[in-house]
Amino acid sequence: DGGITQSPKYLFRKEGQNVTLSCEQNLNHDAMYWYRQDPGQGLRLIYYSQIVNDFQKGDIAEGYSVSREKKESFPLTVTSAQKNPTAFYLCASSIGDRSNSPLHFGNGTRLTVT
Amino acid sequence: GESVGLHLPTLSVQEGDNSIINCAYSNSASDYFIWYKQESGKGPQFIIDIRSNMDKRQGQRVTVLLNKTVKHLSLQIAATQPGDSAVYFCAESRALKAAGNKLTFGGGTRVLVKP
Repeated sequence: DGGITQSPKYLFRKEGQNVTLSCEQNLNHDAMYWYRQDPGQGLRLIYYSQIVNDFQKGDIAEGYSVSREKKESFPLTVTSAQKNPTAFYLCASSIGDRSNSPLHFGNGTRLTVT
Repeated sequence: GESVGLHLPTLSVQEGDNSIINCAYSNSASDYFIWYKQESGKGPQFIIDIRSNMDKRQGQRVTVLLNKTVKHLSLQIAATQPGDSAVYFCAESRALKAAGNKLTFGGGTRVLVKP
């Protein structure tokens, strides 16, 4: 089955620690994205990548970092500089042509920082 | 700034009835819209999309209507079933230069189906 895999599903960290969330896709999509979702709210864009070795900041990039060394993978690091890291993190991908197309989402990682 | 929002945060509907979820957008340059369904603990699931050169599009039990004059989008679900209980998001999309597109999401509407 083609899709997007996020791991782990639940993640717990102590304040002050960096943590990396995994996202892998086998859809052969060029573009990948990270969104953050807080309880009862919509999704907000953290970072996105249109091609390998390139990525851009979204609307709430502060305290986060990403890399895109392979087409299939787009890991997100939540650093200790992120003031409010506890949230539900969603990775997505879409085909690489220049027209609008729907994003396909993984099932998320719920991060809790105490 | 530009935003996409929803009129009703919670919608209760009797099983078998039709559901209508509304969404207002403010960016008149928006040319692509998507509806997503999100069940608890899962990622959003694509339902249906519509481009701005259309005013109606139908899928299986779902219809999306677009009124560009008043910048309004709606999702109609026919014969609502218990499995339709979820949070529904509309999203405005803007194509990116190299690849992909940037979505701006509304806050979501929870649909509760009563047996």
